[in-house]
Amino acid sequence: GQQVMQIPQYQHVQEGEDFTTYCNSSTTLSNIQWYKQRPGGHPVFLIQLVKSGEVKKQKRLTFQFGEAKKNSSLHITATQTTDVGTYFCAGLINAGNNRKLIWGLGTSLAVNP
Amino acid sequence: DSGVTQTPKHLITATGQRVTLRCSPRSGDLSVYWYQQSLDQGLQFLIQYYNGEERAKGNILERFSAQQFPDLHSELNLSSLELGDSALYFCASSVRSGGYTGELFFGEGSRLTVL
Repeated sequence: GQQVMQIPQYQHVQEGEDFTTYCNSSTTLSNIQWYKQRPGGHPVFLIQLVKSGEVKKQKRLTFQFGEAKKNSSLHITATQTTDVGTYFCAGLINAGNNRKLIWGLGTSLAVNP
Repeated sequence: DSGVTQTPKHLITATGQRVTLRCSPRSGDLSVYWYQQSLDQGLQFLIQYYNGEERAKGNILERFSAQQFPDLHSELNLSSLELGDSALYFCASSVRSGGYTGELFFGEGSRLTVL
């Protein structure tokens, strides 16, 4: 079936280190979205990528969408304790009239001060 | 504040019981989605409603049902509860009409504990 694999599942870093999470889809995606869920919180939308090879930046966060629109990454430069949480990717798959949003299992980021 | 309201925030009940979770979407959003998140698990899509009609179904058990009312609020009914149903249930709404195309706005969730 259609899947979005997200790695790593967990990542512990020292404050100031960089962090990257990757999403890989078995199917070409119409778009990919990234969400952040703080501990005890709810998912919050970060960004949506639509175009092949698209790169978007939000301060210390860099999001990329692969050329084949099957993979994506989120890179955080110089992590801070406020970056703690679980980062989810969600890929939109078009199947005729049926659109499905397929979620990765998330990468939990812990930042040691 | 996402603008999506979910009640109750916490619910403790016993096996075999039935509960109803309620969601009010953001003003103007026609689509409502229900997700289940178990401990250390990702988001499992349950069901989507658009303007009162079921639009898409995910991994929703037959013991679960949902509906969206004319005022666009939605309810998720969970019956014959089992211990494994203990989870965080999120409602989300979408700004787009018709099929899903953009970001989801999540409520704060309803935490269900089945004892």
